[in-house]
Amino acid sequence: AQSVTQLGSHVSVSEGALVLLRCNYSSSVPPYLFWYVQYPNQGLQLLLKYTTGATLVKGINGFEAEFKKSETSFHLTKPSAHMSDAAEYFCAVSSGAGSYQLTFGKGTKLSVIP
Amino acid sequence: DTEVTQTPKHLVMGMTNKKSLKCEQHMGHRAMYWYKQKAKKPPELMFVYSYEKLSINESVPSRFSPECPNSSLLNLHLHALQPEDSALYLCASSQVRSGVGREKLFFGSGTQLSVL
Repeated sequence: AQSVTQLGSHVSVSEGALVLLRCNYSSSVPPYLFWYVQYPNQGLQLLLKYTTGATLVKGINGFEAEFKKSETSFHLTKPSAHMSDAAEYFCAVSSGAGSYQLTFGKGTKLSVIP
Repeated sequence: DTEVTQTPKHLVMGMTNKKSLKCEQHMGHRAMYWYKQKAKKPPELMFVYSYEKLSINESVPSRFSPECPNSSLLNLHLHALQPEDSALYLCASSQVRSGVGREKLFFGSGTQLSVL
């Protein structure tokens, strides 16, 4: 069984400030981890994913995340927030390579203040 | 073409109506999904089709009936829905080849369904 906890349902940052969205997971198998972003009235779009290999993963739009096994974390960061980053962000964990099951966290709404 | 197209974008239906949601992709993906998303909540998996066969049904009520006519199309037939079924219905697709759990999901923009 696997689960995802996103700390903070709502995060506000100033434009140009660091973005940090927190995600902790639990998994009985080596995890595959994902961050998806959802803009209003849209579907979800993959930002980045970790499957194996390098633990620092770079994604689209300047986002990156680091897989830390010892801390069971996969926090999402971006050095400088842009107004267009305002959206809902979901961390998700897969049940394994052969599984169709993707468990989403409850989401974090990011607001960017001009 | 990296799009998943869903129609209609909005749907209002009464509890006695029958309607269908449609989803189409031309990326050659052999796994297709239906998710339900209530406001301010994460998506919840409803059904998965793999190679046009139903692989997962997450104990969804029978008033929701999925159909996968071919590898590019996915339908969700709706009948006798309840007001609590109002939600955003998302279709997604993915590759299967390297282990489906590693693959990214491509989502459509969804159908916003209101049941009166």
